[in-house]
Amino acid sequence: AQSVTQLGSHVSVSEGALVLLRCNYSSSVPPYLFWYVQYPNQGLQLLLKYTTGATLVKGINGFEAEFKKSETSFHLTKPSAHMSDAAEYFCAVLSGGYNKLIFGAGTRLAVHP
Amino acid sequence: GAGVSQSPSNKVTEKGKDVELRCDPISGHTALYWYRQSLGQGLEFLIYFQGNSAPDKSGLPSDRFSAERTGGSVSTLTIQRTQQEDSAVYLCASSLGREEKLFFGSGTQLSVL
Repeated sequence: AQSVTQLGSHVSVSEGALVLLRCNYSSSVPPYLFWYVQYPNQGLQLLLKYTTGATLVKGINGFEAEFKKSETSFHLTKPSAHMSDAAEYFCAVLSGGYNKLIFGAGTRLAVHP
Repeated sequence: GAGVSQSPSNKVTEKGKDVELRCDPISGHTALYWYRQSLGQGLEFLIYFQGNSAPDKSGLPSDRFSAERTGGSVSTLTIQRTQQEDSAVYLCASSLGREEKLFFGSGTQLSVL
C-alpha cells in the first residue's frame, strides 16, 4: 500500500534561514508527488507537484522540492524563510493505480524573528 | 461558483443523530474527494469519485459513512448515528483529473456532543 511519512510534526526556523521539510513515500509504482500548504484559517492550496520529467520542481512562493527515487524522498525546501511562510505543509502521493491522493500527517512550520 | 463550496460550514449535532454534508465542486471537475481532518491527524482519505466510474470507498471508516455524487456534480456525505469520534473538519476537493491540482473547499466543522 502507498503511504507518506512526514518527519517532524513541528519545525521552527529563524526568518532568513533555510527551510527543510521532509517527506518520504512508499509506492510500488512511479509516484506522483505533491506538496500542499494550509495557511492559518485558509483552505489547502497546491505548492508544487512532481509527475514526470525534471526531478527538481519549483513551486509558488520560492519553494522547491526534489524527487529522489533512490531515497524515496520528496523533501521541500526554501533558501530563506519569511514570516509569511508560517503554515502547515502536507506532502501527498497519488497511489493505488493513481486513484486516490494520500496525504501525510503534516508539518507545522513556525518562523520566528 | 468560482470555487468548491461546502455547506454547512459548521454543524453541531447530538450523538446518535444523522448528518448530511454537502459539496458543490467546481463546474467541469470530474474528480471529487472527501477527506477528514482531525487535530494532529493530517488529512484522512474517505472517498473518491471520478466521472462515471464506481467510487473508491476504501477510506470510509465504517458502514455509518456513505457518500453519493449526483449527476457527476454535487456530492453528499452522510454520517448515520454520529459518534463523538466523528468530530472533525470534513473537506471536499475537486480537480480536472486524478493527477491534477486539487481545489479544496473551506470544510465543514462537525461537532458531535
